[in-house]
Amino acid sequence: AQTVTQSQPEMSVQEAETVTLSCTYDTSENNYYLFWYKQPPSRQMILVIRQEAYKQQNATENRFSVNFQKAAKSFSLKISDSQLGDTAMYFCAFRDSGGGADGLTFGKGTHLIIQP
Amino acid sequence: DTEVTQTPKHLVMGMTNKKSLKCEQHMGHRAMYWYKQKAKKPPELMFVYSYEKLSINESVPSRFSPECPNSSLLNLHLHALQPEDSALYLCASSQDRWGGYEQYFGPGTRLTVT
Repeated sequence: AQTVTQSQPEMSVQEAETVTLSCTYDTSENNYYLFWYKQPPSRQMILVIRQEAYKQQNATENRFSVNFQKAAKSFSLKISDSQLGDTAMYFCAFRDSGGGADGLTFGKGTHLIIQP
Repeated sequence: DTEVTQTPKHLVMGMTNKKSLKCEQHMGHRAMYWYKQKAKKPPELMFVYSYEKLSINESVPSRFSPECPNSSLLNLHLHALQPEDSALYLCASSQDRWGGYEQYFGPGTRLTVT
């Protein structure tokens, strides 16, 4: 079974700063997918960024980028120029390519607070 | 339209009641999911439907009964729940069960069992 570990329960940074959220995972699969989801307070969960394990290039979406280290099984999220609206729970999630669990395996989450 | 809708938003029910949660998507997705999320915890997978057939049941108690009437609708029937079943119930959908397709989540139904 896969496990996903987020070692930072809570982080707080000032607006406009850059922040990095860490995520490590454990799997015996070679092909899989990794995601960062954002869940703002009392609002629905949305996808921030997605990475395919067979792609070496790190995914980027505007101010959000990942540092994917497959050998180290690490998948960190960097948020540049942080904004107040980035305040949310951030979940790292894993999904294998098929044959196993089809839902997402989530980490415990990191509560990110952006201070004005 | 990338929206997953869920009704009701809030539900309070007694332990002897029977109620249902509803989820709908019109994105043509063929996989739909139910998750349970306790406060300050990640979502936990309950059920997966693929092409309207129950694909995975993560050993969920029988007091939760899923139903997929068609490819756009997903229901969760609730009966004889316990107070510890109080949680946010999230529905999600993805283009297909296989592969790394993004899952789109609904806003959830906040359930309180009294």
